[in-house]
Amino acid sequence: DVQMTQSPSSVSASVGDRVTITCRASQDIDTWLAWYQQRPGRAPRLLIYAASSLQSGVPSRFRGRGSGTDFTLTITSLQPEDFATYYCQQANRFPLTFGGGTKLEMK
Amino acid sequence: QVQLQESGPRLVRASETLSLTCTVSGGSMTSDRWSWVRQPPGMGLEWIGYVFHNGYTNSNPSLKSRITMSVDTSKRQFSLKMSSVTAADTAVYYCARDSGMNRLDDWGQGTLVTVSS
Repeated sequence: DVQMTQSPSSVSASVGDRVTITCRASQDIDTWLAWYQQRPGRAPRLLIYAASSLQSGVPSRFRGRGSGTDFTLTITSLQPEDFATYYCQQANRFPLTFGGGTKLEMK
Repeated sequence: QVQLQESGPRLVRASETLSLTCTVSGGSMTSDRWSWVRQPPGMGLEWIGYVFHNGYTNSNPSLKSRITMSVDTSKRQFSLKMSSVTAADTAVYYCARDSGMNRLDDWGQGTLVTVSS
C-alpha cells in the first residue's frame, strides 16, 4: 500500500494567517493526490484533486501543489470556517489511502 | 449535485454482519463508482471499496475477505455487508461517489455503527 504521511499533525493559527500543510507519499504518485476538509461531526469535503485543481465551489484561498512524493496544501488568509481537519489521499493505486490528518486549530 | 444518504442498524453484535445501504439522489448511477469509507471515532479515514453499476467491485485487501458490496440501480441504492465484525469495526461509515478518477467527490453524512460485545 502507498503510505501517506502528513505534517504537522496539528497547527495553531489565527484568522488572516497563511498556513501550509505537507503530505508525503511512500512512492511516486505523480499528481494523483486529493485534499479533503473535515469539520467536526461532518463528512469530508473534497477541496483539491489532481494535486492542484480546485473543486467547484471551493474558495481560491485554498491552493495545492506538488508531484511525485511531496505535496502541500496552502490556505491563504484563514477564515473562521477553515478551522477543521485536513486529509490528503493518494489516487494513484488501490487501495486508496489517506494521510493521518492535520488539525488546524484557532490560536 | 448528487446527494447520498446512509441507512442501516446503528448497533451490531460482535461476530455478526454489518449491513448498510446508501440511497443516491441526483445524477446517473451508471457513470460513477459507488464507494464506502469508514472512520473509527477520533481517528483517520479508511477506504473500504467501491461497486460499479454493473456489479464490479474493488475492495481494500485488508477487508476483502469480510465484505460484500452490491448495487441496485433501479432503486438508486448500493449496499455494504461486512461479516464477523469486532469492536475494531466500530466507526462512522460513509458512502461516497467516486467520479472515476479515484477521488471522492460527494459524501453522505455518515452513520455511526457500534459493535457491541
